[in-house]
Amino acid sequence: KQEVTQIPAALSVPEGENLVLNCSFTDSAIYNLQWFRQDPGKGLTSLLLIQSSQREQTSGRLNASLDKSSGRSTLYIAASQPGDSATYLCAVSPPGFQKLVFGTGTRLLVSP
Amino acid sequence: SQTIHQWPATLVQPVGSPLSLECTVEGTSNPNLYWYRQAAGRGLQLLFYSVGIGQISSEVPQNLSASRPQDRQFILSSKKLLLSDSGFYLCAWRGNSPLHFGNGTRLTVT
Repeated sequence: KQEVTQIPAALSVPEGENLVLNCSFTDSAIYNLQWFRQDPGKGLTSLLLIQSSQREQTSGRLNASLDKSSGRSTLYIAASQPGDSATYLCAVSPPGFQKLVFGTGTRLLVSP
Repeated sequence: SQTIHQWPATLVQPVGSPLSLECTVEGTSNPNLYWYRQAAGRGLQLLFYSVGIGQISSEVPQNLSASRPQDRQFILSSKKLLLSDSGFYLCAWRGNSPLHFGNGTRLTVT
């Protein structure tokens, strides 16, 4: 059974810092991995999707990497801003990609 | 472009009352549709998913049911709500790859 873990559970940084969020999964047989952002009381917004054949994806100040063999992904946020404060979740999709398995998230607070 | 609509945004219902949450997707055809629940302090739990009209897969035994009467419509129901059904319910869809979520329904069972 696939299990997804995110460390740390919470993170507080001052504005301007570069930071890394971690995601690990137990079964390396995945179709893709997706990073989401969730603001309080809101739905999830897709940030980046990495196919199993890819090593990384970039969007603006965000960079996500994938090491499928070791069961790890990282989300790198450059020059963090208070508007980045949210909960970040990763999710892996098994072959057949009908279901995603989510991590429990990292709650990020960026203080001005 | 594709959009997903989920309603209502908030709902307060007494124990034992019925439930119907609706989700519709626009701008795509034959999407995979999902219902997730997010309880306070817990991760996202997949409740149901559907790969086509009338096709429903249930992930966990519970007091809820789902139906897909049309290609882009997904309904979450209950005949009698329990206190434990309180939570944040999210509908989602995917075509070829990324999963897209609605804004969610905050359900409080009193």
